[in-house]
Amino acid sequence: GQNIDQPTEMTATEGAIVQINCTYQTSGFNGLFWYQQHAGEAPTFLSYNVLDGLEEKGRFSSFLSRSKGYSYLLLKELQMKDSASYLCAVTDSNYQLIWGAGTKLIIKP
Amino acid sequence: DAMVIQNPRYQVTQFGKPVTLSCSQTLNHNVMYWYQQKSSQAPKLLFHYYDKDFNNEADTPDNFQSRRPNTSFCFLDIRSPGLGDAAMYLCATSGTGTSGANVLTFGAGSRLTVL
Repeated sequence: GQNIDQPTEMTATEGAIVQINCTYQTSGFNGLFWYQQHAGEAPTFLSYNVLDGLEEKGRFSSFLSRSKGYSYLLLKELQMKDSASYLCAVTDSNYQLIWGAGTKLIIKP
Repeated sequence: DAMVIQNPRYQVTQFGKPVTLSCSQTLNHNVMYWYQQKSSQAPKLLFHYYDKDFNNEADTPDNFQSRRPNTSFCFLDIRSPGLGDAAMYLCATSGTGTSGANVLTFGAGSRLTVL
């Protein structure tokens, strides 16, 4: 079967750095997405990786290793507004999007 | 601004009373999706349309139906809601179909409560 694994919950301090990991086992691979979802709201797109390496976008960076079936989302200079769930999703060989259950990130002052 | 709009944002219904949720988009995207998301769970794809081609997920119950009368609008009908159908229903759109880079744009969601 197809599977995306992420930690259920993480806690970090305002101003610090946090890394949210995602591992996947899917039938083929056509890209990996990270979405941010605030409580009670819809997911919003953060990043897309299809080649190995690091993609940087402001305070957020996303890394991919296809050989390891692994990605992480790195958030720097954490702000209280970064408190949200972060969803990892992979497009498989049939271009179906497989979602993880999300990592709830709690930021403390 | 181009966007995806869902109505209503909050819907309360009684057990067994039909519900219709709507979604409209101004992005002119040809793919539209309906997802069900329960608390702390991954979004679960119910259906998607590629233009007018309807694609039903194998495990979507018959209780859920969908209509897409034109490019801009899509509806989700829940014929006889049960307590287990209480969830957030997310509508999303994306551009051309077979590309791994299709970013989904979501509406704000419709939260369904079943009494």
